Amino acid sequence: ETGVTQSPTHLIKTRGQQVTLRCSSQSGHNTVSWYQQALGQGPQFIFQYYREEENGRGNFPPRFSGLQFPNYSSELNVNALELDDSALYLCASSRTSGVNNEQFFGPGTRLTVL
Amino acid sequence: AQSVTQLGSHVSVSEGALVLLRCNYSSSVPPYLFWYVQYPNQGLQLLLKYTTGATLVKGINGFEAEFKKSETSFHLTKPSAHMSDAAEYFCAVSGNSNYQLIWGAGTKLIIKP
Repeated sequence: ETGVTQSPTHLIKTRGQQVTLRCSSQSGHNTVSWYQQALGQGPQFIFQYYREEENGRGNFPPRFSGLQFPNYSSELNVNALELDDSALYLCASSRTSGVNNEQFFGPGTRLTVL
Repeated sequence: AQSVTQLGSHVSVSEGALVLLRCNYSSSVPPYLFWYVQYPNQGLQLLLKYTTGATLVKGINGFEAEFKKSETSFHLTKPSAHMSDAAEYFCAVSGNSNYQLIWGAGTKLIIKP
């Protein structure tokens, strides 16, 4: 059983640019959640996708957007990058939606905005 | 708004000693509670969770946690620390929605030989 994978592992962008991060969910999982983890902090929920639809969103501006594909992989897009967007971005998949379901995390993408 | 507080950003214990990592939460409704562990350069891994039923929950690697509603706490313990337990530990609680977890800031566990 392949776990959750994320690409790229590291990324450096400049302020104002756009970035796309990718996540492959674990086999059999139809739900993907994205989190932002700033240095020294816990993960902050960005949004969740369930069966290709956004299922819920945290306190992030609209320049954070996402997609989920028919194979349940997912993308996180961030437009107009700001310095504060520098963080580790985590993707987690679960068998279905519902917060009581175990989330399986990928290793993350480290984004640096200069 | 719901919040999770983990007391101590760093906790240091000797190998073989008791591990106690503290987690308190604020919630207006009975929550689901989780402990995750993050090893360097690896993804977060679920240690244990409380949803309903028995308030003492056993997890992987010898860890356990007890849900105490009156104290709004969910502290993580392990009787005897091992060097391999060195990692960062996160407590999380379900939010008002059915999809969002609220996370603590994490506690880095350091094991002294």
